[in-house]
Amino acid sequence: GAVVSQHPSWVICKSGTSVKIECRSLDFQATTMFWYRQFPKQSLMLMATSNEGSKATYEQGVEKDKFLINHASLTLSTLTVTSAHPEDSSFYICSASGRLADTQYFGPGTRLTVL
Amino acid sequence: AQKITQTQPGMFVQEKEAVTLDCTYDTSDPSYGLFWYKQPSSGEMIFLIYQGSYDQQNATEGRYSLNFQKARKSANLVISASQLGDSAMYFCAMRGLSYSGAGSYQLTFGKGTKLSVIP
Repeated sequence: GAVVSQHPSWVICKSGTSVKIECRSLDFQATTMFWYRQFPKQSLMLMATSNEGSKATYEQGVEKDKFLINHASLTLSTLTVTSAHPEDSSFYICSASGRLADTQYFGPGTRLTVL
Repeated sequence: AQKITQTQPGMFVQEKEAVTLDCTYDTSDPSYGLFWYKQPSSGEMIFLIYQGSYDQQNATEGRYSLNFQKARKSANLVISASQLGDSAMYFCAMRGLSYSGAGSYQLTFGKGTKLSVIP
């Protein structure tokens, strides 16, 4: 199957700082990338959908000014958590799908801990 | 609106035996797709199997098979000959007509079932 990478795999930061998470499709062109958030022992919650070259579409209740998403190329999307607070601590997972593919391929996830 | 229900928060199975993980769904879309993903403790989401709503036959992928009963709106995952490495969270997901653009669709996930394989 297609390979999606995420970097970093984990990050610890102080409250008030910004954190950038990268999501890359390694062997296919990702027309669309999705960003999910997962709290412990819960399911994945879609935060936003980004298409290459256009603005991301955010789900209801997700602050677009806090979670900045950029999808500048067909292989890279970034999620920046701005002015992170302890309640932003979570597991963030990206997924990617190509132009002809129905399946979303997921990255390994990034565990964010805000102190 | 689409909804996925997984009623089993946790399941135990003896190694080498088969296990069925339940998934029911609700949608008004005439065309949809159903997925199963495995999430081990490492956190990555591993795609297991896909069933399209118009597929005539149940999907199979190695030890995984999907028992698709369209009239009952169920899409249960069957794992045969369970292995210790199968211990993980399993998520059922549905792709519907509402799409994000450029041919890609959003997924709705169930709450998951934690499978534990006993030696």
